[in-house]
Amino acid sequence: GEDVEQSLFLSVREGDSSVINCTYTDSSSTYLYWYKQEPGAGLQLLTYIFSNMDMKQDQRLTVLLNKKDKHLSLRIADTQTGDSAIYFCAEIMNNNAGNMLTFGGGTRLMVKP
Amino acid sequence: NAGVTQTPKFRVLKTGQSMTLLCAQDMNHEYMYWYRQDPGMGLRLIHYSVGEGTTAKGEVPDGYNVSRLKKQNFLLGLESAAPSQTSVYFCASSRPGLSFEQFFGPGTRLTVL
Repeated sequence: GEDVEQSLFLSVREGDSSVINCTYTDSSSTYLYWYKQEPGAGLQLLTYIFSNMDMKQDQRLTVLLNKKDKHLSLRIADTQTGDSAIYFCAEIMNNNAGNMLTFGGGTRLMVKP
Repeated sequence: NAGVTQTPKFRVLKTGQSMTLLCAQDMNHEYMYWYRQDPGMGLRLIHYSVGEGTTAKGEVPDGYNVSRLKKQNFLLGLESAAPSQTSVYFCASSRPGLSFEQFFGPGTRLTVL
């Protein structure tokens, strides 16, 4: 089956940039996603990128997609303590009738004041 | 709109007991999903449904059953709980269309002793 891989942990200082990386395996994925999970809560969609794009910017968030290397990254500029959370990347499964996603294991971002 | 709600929020079971987790959504979404979340493993799909009256197996269906008798509700049942089913369970819903975003409930933390 498909695998989506992420590093487990990232620690940054407040005000620095954070870069969370993800590798995926299904080259036919049409959409790739970044979800955020705050403690004790469900996942919320942060942003997504369509596979025909290389980059997407949304305020402090920049998503980069390298289809050749099957690599996705999320950059958070001016990281704040409120950004501390677990970040999941996900790809949509190809040829499925139910919008099913494959999630990575999540990267726990810790922001130190 | 309440979005996606889950009941109960917490539950402790003894091995062999049964229970049903309820998911409800008020967004008129066609698709609904049950995931389990275990540390470092991301979210794994248990079962999903593409419409009222239909269900299908996901990645880790063993030990679980589901029903979708009404479009807005998706029930997850454990007939004979095992300690390996100790996890956090998330329900999500989505609709066909742009970006295929999934909306998540707040989760149910289940402990099986």
